[in-house]
Amino acid sequence: SYELTQPPSVSVSPGQTARITCSGDALPKKFAFWYQQQSGQAPVLVIYEDNKRPSGIPERFSGSSSGTMATLTISGAQEEDEADYYCYSTDSSGNHKVFGSGTKVTVL
Amino acid sequence: QVQLVESGGGVVQPGRSLRLSCTASGFTFNTYGMHWVRQAPGKGLEWVAVIWYDGSNKYYADSVKGRFTISRDNSKNTLFLQMNSLRAEDTAVYFCARDFAPADESDIWGQGTMVTVSS
Repeated sequence: SYELTQPPSVSVSPGQTARITCSGDALPKKFAFWYQQQSGQAPVLVIYEDNKRPSGIPERFSGSSSGTMATLTISGAQEEDEADYYCYSTDSSGNHKVFGSGTKVTVL
Repeated sequence: QVQLVESGGGVVQPGRSLRLSCTASGFTFNTYGMHWVRQAPGKGLEWVAVIWYDGSNKYYADSVKGRFTISRDNSKNTLFLQMNSLRAEDTAVYFCARDFAPADESDIWGQGTMVTVSS
């Protein structure tokens, strides 16, 4: 079955830039979405279709995709950005969705 | 108010069945695909199943295929997940979620319902 691979953890100092990668064979042809999940809460969409930001999401969140890798960037990370982040996409058929393994972002 | 509310979770013995429900409000339910996503305690998100807006197509994760069935009743704005032959590894919070809508740049998630499979 299709898999998306993320690093387990990323640490960043307040005000610095955090980058989270997501690797998958179908990403050259399928969009990546990114979710933020705070402890005990439902996920929140922060990036859709590789690089678009929903209204209400701070501008410090941005996304990009090149080849088999998508990247979520948090520019000027803040303490409230400390959370788990998941990429989300589909396999080559478009019918089976998949989440990445998740990345815990620590801001300290 | 746009929302999804799950129900039906609980404690069930291995091998038994359970049916989850998800009631939608505040949007036109019968125009969106709907998903079930689960999260085992301390683990990541796992996509479980999707059903098209009209129920015509359904797709499942390999881990639940043949045991779980997704369905919907558009007249009642309700999504279901019938879970049979439950295993300990099915223990998780189960979320229902509306398909992403490019027009309003959003999706919708419920708050989840806990399913515990234990003897």
